[in-house]
Amino acid sequence: GAVVSQHPSWVICKSGTSVKIECRSLDFQATTMFWYRQFPKQSLMLMATSNEGSKATYEQGVEKDKFLINHASLTLSTLTVTSAHPEDSSFYICSARGTQLEIAGMNQPQHFGDGTRLSIL
Amino acid sequence: QKEVEQNSGPLSVPEGAIASLNCTYSDRGSQSFFWYRQYSGKSPELIMFIYSNGDKEDGRFTAQLNKASQYVSLLIRDSQPSDSATYLCAVKEANTGFQKLVFGTGTRLLVSP
Repeated sequence: GAVVSQHPSWVICKSGTSVKIECRSLDFQATTMFWYRQFPKQSLMLMATSNEGSKATYEQGVEKDKFLINHASLTLSTLTVTSAHPEDSSFYICSARGTQLEIAGMNQPQHFGDGTRLSIL
Repeated sequence: QKEVEQNSGPLSVPEGAIASLNCTYSDRGSQSFFWYRQYSGKSPELIMFIYSNGDKEDGRFTAQLNKASQYVSLLIRDSQPSDSATYLCAVKEANTGFQKLVFGTGTRLLVSP
């Protein structure tokens, strides 16, 4: 259970191109999805939190007009990197958290997709 | 700024030994703690989560939590070469509606045959 599918796995494209990445929860409903970016040999950095049916909440320093997030349903969130440049090249990973009632108020785990490696030439 | 600290390693252990991975966190109000394993070029995979002080065991893995010391650890018994990976400690921020996690930089574990 708790499978998160992310597509595509790899993207190589020219500078100035917009790239859309999909994140789907396959066997559970995800009220909240998270988008992370990871540069080589660094940890995951949260970019934004996406809640179904509402606007995403972006972390400080993340440009909301450049990284467009849509969470149209309980099983799908998309991240669009608009007008991508070489400095946007990174490993983008989504995670999803289910709608299950929390256990004694404690947080349910996030389950990660397989990630998308984005290379901008 | 909420922080999660881990020794970057690498931590080298021989096959069959116990690997001990440590993590400290700054947010005293944190209640939920997670260990993820990440192989090179792959996304993180949940290993264990722990909410209460003490030990929690799952197979070869044991998570230990000491909220008073703001310390969480992961023990891997009978380490195997396939356990070689980066282990990320993650802590849920207290009092956030979105259940955000703060990740440490990870400890790289190398298990030699």
